[in-house]
Amino acid sequence: EVQLVESAGGLVQPGGSLRLSCAASGFTFSSHWMSWVRQAPGKGLEWVANVNQDGTKKYYVDSVEGRFTISRDNAKNALYLQMNSLRAEDTAVYFCARIFCTRTDCFYDHWGQGTLVTVSS
Amino acid sequence: DIQMTQSPSSLSASVGDRVTITCRASQDITNNLAWIQQRPGKAPTSLIYDASTLLSGVPSKFSGSGSGTDFALTISSLQPEDFATYYCHQYNSYPYTFGQGTKLEIK
Repeated sequence: EVQLVESAGGLVQPGGSLRLSCAASGFTFSSHWMSWVRQAPGKGLEWVANVNQDGTKKYYVDSVEGRFTISRDNAKNALYLQMNSLRAEDTAVYFCARIFCTRTDCFYDHWGQGTLVTVSS
Repeated sequence: DIQMTQSPSSLSASVGDRVTITCRASQDITNNLAWIQQRPGKAPTSLIYDASTLLSGVPSKFSGSGSGTDFALTISSLQPEDFATYYCHQYNSYPYTFGQGTKLEIK
């Protein structure tokens, strides 16, 4: 069974940093693109970042480019999101998601339960 | 960026009803569209990819259609567990984008 379990988020002051982790199990982690998606309180889903299987290709939404870094450790079956220079508008539940690729397309097929990050003084 | 616009934003229906939610992309995304369900307070669940292909384990009461810019999700024989928020999502190009969501409520 595919499982994605995010680490605890927390309360961070504006300008602070936080690293999220996502522990993956039940599948060959190194074979899949992975992603972070977030959801501000009462709002919709927003894509944050993707990373390819070996961590050499990374893509970000403009609003986090230069502040957030997605990475992975295939030996530990872990996905990370290093978040720096946090702003109030980064307050959200952050979901780890697996991407499944067919011959032609790549799409989300499994999601973690999410972890809340609150940026406030 | 590709904008995804869902209609309606909210919808009231009764158990047993059939409903359709539409999603329009601001430019051609061929069939690179997914539908995602989110029950209150829960993680998202992926239902459909490539506009009309059900993910493994998703009941056939869900169906998707469309290509290019106009898409639809139809849910037949609504059950209590189907009342949730539904999002369309394009993965044709970066940045990935989602519709604003359609909240399906019990009438």
